[in-house]
Amino acid sequence: DGGITQSPKYLFRKEGQNVTLSCEQNLNHDAMYWYRQDPGQGLRLIYYSQIVNDFQKGDIAEGYSVSREKKESFPLTVTSAQKNPTAFYLCASSPQVSRQGAITQYFGPGTRLTVL
Amino acid sequence: EDQVTQSPEALRLQEGESSSLNCSYTVSGLRGLFWYRQDPGKGPEFLFTLYSAGEEKEKERLKATLTKKESFLHITAPKPEDSATYLCAVQAKGTSYGKLTFGQGTILTVHP
Repeated sequence: DGGITQSPKYLFRKEGQNVTLSCEQNLNHDAMYWYRQDPGQGLRLIYYSQIVNDFQKGDIAEGYSVSREKKESFPLTVTSAQKNPTAFYLCASSPQVSRQGAITQYFGPGTRLTVL
Repeated sequence: EDQVTQSPEALRLQEGESSSLNCSYTVSGLRGLFWYRQDPGKGPEFLFTLYSAGEEKEKERLKATLTKKESFLHITAPKPEDSATYLCAVQAKGTSYGKLTFGQGTILTVHP
C-alpha cells in the first residue's frame, strides 16, 4: 500500500539533545513537507523540499534542520536551539503539479515529541 | 497575507442533528481550498479539494461548498464516528510549491 510513514510515534528528549524524526513515503511524490501542530493553532510549515538535494525554510525553521538525499525520505532534526520543541510533528508529501492546478498534500500519522 | 478563519471552534451535535462548519478565507487568487479530517493523535486525512466558487463535492454524510469568500462543510445526519477535528486550508495562485495556509480547525463532537 502506498503511504507516508513517520517514526517514532512518540519521542522523549532531554533538554540540550538533538533528535531526528523520520519520514518516508512510497507515493513517488516529488515534494515533501514538515509541519508543527500545537494546541489551538493551525499547522505551521517548518521546511519543505521540492526535489532531491534541495529544501527551503518555511515559516518557523529556526532550531530545525532537514536533509533530502533520497526522493522517499525527508528526516527532520530538532536541535537544542529550538526553545520550545514539545509539539506534534507532521510530515506530508505531494506531487509537483496537478492537472487542475491545486496541489494536494497527504499527511503521515505524526510524531509526538515531548521535552523532559 | 493569506488568512483562514474557521468557526465555530467547537461544535457539539446529537446524532442525526445536521449542521455546518464555516471556513472564511482571504487569499490573493485561490488555486484551491482543501478540507481535511483529523482524529486525535493522528495525521490529517484528505477529504476534498474545491477549485472555484459554486463548486460542491460530497462524500458520504459530508458536503463541501465554496463561495468567493468562504467554504462550508455540511454534515447531514451525523454519527458519533464523524467526531473529529476538521481542518480547512487554502492554496494561493503564484506559489511555486503546494504551500497551504491552515485554519485552526473546528472540533466536532457527535453524541449518540
